[in-house]
Amino acid sequence: AQKVTQAQTEISVVEKEDVTLDCVYETRDTTYYLFWYKQPPSGELVFLIRRNSFDEQNEISGRYSWNFQKSTSSFNFTITASQVVDSAVYFCALSEDPWTQGGSEKLVFGKGTKLTVNP
Amino acid sequence: GAVVSQHPSRVICKSGTSVKIECRSLDFQATTMFWYRQFPKQSLMLMATSNEGSKATYEQGVEKDKFLINHASLTLSTLTVTSAHPEDSSFYICSAVLAGTGELFFGEGSRLTVL
Repeated sequence: AQKVTQAQTEISVVEKEDVTLDCVYETRDTTYYLFWYKQPPSGELVFLIRRNSFDEQNEISGRYSWNFQKSTSSFNFTITASQVVDSAVYFCALSEDPWTQGGSEKLVFGKGTKLTVNP
Repeated sequence: GAVVSQHPSRVICKSGTSVKIECRSLDFQATTMFWYRQFPKQSLMLMATSNEGSKATYEQGVEKDKFLINHASLTLSTLTVTSAHPEDSSFYICSAVLAGTGELFFGEGSRLTVL
């Protein structure tokens, strides 16, 4: 069975600090997808990234970066120079590879990390 | 990008009544949609997979007779909470799969409060 663990329940930082949100996953699949979503207080899910298990390259998008370490089954998310607008709950999620037989796009979510950025 | 719309965004109902929530893919066809439920300060849990033209597949522990899912067209799936009770109060959110890409798009969510 698939499982996603986000050990950090809540993190509080001061604006301009860098912050890393941890995500550890478990799966028996050889191919799979990893995701990060942001959920602001309004509730909608904001897509941040989707990463295929074959692609272990780290990714940077503006102030956001992701570190995928297959050897430790981790997919950590770093926000550089955090801003108050980054305050939200962040979810890491895992799905099967929908292109394999019996695969599906359904997501297994971690419990989320609530990030508070203080001015 | 592709847009998924949910309606209503908020609904308050009395205990014992039924509530229907719609999930529409506005600019693409979705043969598969998913329904998730999120209780306050908790994670999202998959309730069911909705496939156009066939019966929904429910996750373990989700009552199919209580949460009726209909996916009658390639752009619309509905979730009906029958005989709602206060413990059904939750945030319900759907996602739709853009056919051929595997990409997921989430709706804005529907907050149900049962009095």
